Amino acid sequence: QKEVEQDPGPLSVPEGAIVSLNCTYSNSAFQYFMWYRQYSRKGPELLMYTYSSGNKEDGRFTAQVDKSSKYISLFIRDSQPSDSATYLCAMSFMEYGNKLVFGAGTILRVKS
Amino acid sequence: DVKVTQSSRYLVKRTGEKVFLECVQDMDHENMFWYRQDPGLGLRLIYFSYDVKMKEKGDIPEGYSVSREKKERFSLILESASTNQTSMYLCASSPPLGGRTYFGAGTRLSVL
Repeated sequence: QKEVEQDPGPLSVPEGAIVSLNCTYSNSAFQYFMWYRQYSRKGPELLMYTYSSGNKEDGRFTAQVDKSSKYISLFIRDSQPSDSATYLCAMSFMEYGNKLVFGAGTILRVKS
Repeated sequence: DVKVTQSSRYLVKRTGEKVFLECVQDMDHENMFWYRQDPGLGLRLIYFSYDVKMKEKGDIPEGYSVSREKKERFSLILESASTNQTSMYLCASSPPLGGRTYFGAGTRLSVL
């Protein structure tokens, strides 16, 4: 079993839809949780960053962390064709070195 | 704006060549990383460094070495390039703790 599980999709939605992307993980020691967006042939771009449990909102994006269920989510409101990309969840421990463990990434397509 | 700069976006090399991939960050981060990204395999950690002249192996270090002579610069070296090293190479940096990791745009390497 992988440490971080993420459905690779692809997930296809109409423009304006609410998108929900999710990851589950097995190691309860993870403390930091991130979502990255990666456009084709580009590097991952840090979208959201959360420490421990709770919600964080930034514009159309909301990240949720539920440590009791070992489950993290990214919600995108009013999705746009420009949101079409691969979304990677990542997490790390409270340790020096700060290595990330990634999910496989979910391909999202927003149709106009 | 945070910046991780990789010296080349695309490289084409012959098998057996020695290949240098360069990465520079301007955030004064202690940690720097090299990942490779392949379809279906996600991001895999090759090497990381948590201080100048310090390095540690990641999950797939075979066939690679690294150099960190200055805090802002981290180089990945393919001692003798092989076709199975054709991949997207991503450099990243982060502070010592806290998870917030930033990536470069990537170098797409083809070994013929």
